[in-house]
Amino acid sequence: AQSVAQPEDQVNVAEGNPLTVKCTYSVSGNPYLFWYVQYPNRGLQFLLKYITGDNLVKGSYGFEAEFNKSQTSFHLKKPSALVSDSALYFCAVRRALSGYSTLTFGKGTMLLVSP
Amino acid sequence: EAQVTQNPRYLITVTGKKLTVTCSQNMNHEYMSWYRQDPGLGLRQIYYSMNVEVTDKGDVPEGYKVSRKEKRNFPLILESPSPNQTSLYFCASSLRTGAEDTQYFGPGTRLTVL
Repeated sequence: AQSVAQPEDQVNVAEGNPLTVKCTYSVSGNPYLFWYVQYPNRGLQFLLKYITGDNLVKGSYGFEAEFNKSQTSFHLKKPSALVSDSALYFCAVRRALSGYSTLTFGKGTMLLVSP
Repeated sequence: EAQVTQNPRYLITVTGKKLTVTCSQNMNHEYMSWYRQDPGLGLRQIYYSMNVEVTDKGDVPEGYKVSRKEKRNFPLILESPSPNQTSLYFCASSLRTGAEDTQYFGPGTRLTVL
């Protein structure tokens, strides 16, 4: 069975500092990896995904994520955090297939950016 | 505007009273899905649909029904709701059914069953 671990329930960072939200995964074969963000009282918004190619993926709002196959990780990063980045972040994995495969989410990490 | 809509956004009901949460997308997406979000558990898939009249169970289907009579609509039906179905529900859709396709989510429906 595939799974996603987000080891930190909450990450605190000061505005202007770099941020990292950690994600590790387990899946048979190759993964497709996704990051979503959920702002209060809103649905999930897609940030970025890794399908193939360059291990560093750039996404919306200045976020990026690095795929590391040997460490089975896909950590989300941003060079300079904003207070408006405060939200709940979800990592998700799918088994890389030509057809359908289940999307499995982690439990989420709350990011709090202080002024 | 391309979007996934859900109604109602908030619902308080009592045990056993049948309810339907509607989901509609205007992007001509083939794939639609329902998830529930519970604290500490992330999102778990309830049901999904690969196309009209094609539905299948996700990880937590018990107590739920779905139908896909039209491509744009994918209602979630709770025929006899129970308190353990109190949760935040999300509908999602994607253009195709491939593993690489990005799913786009609706705004959510917060359901409380008393």
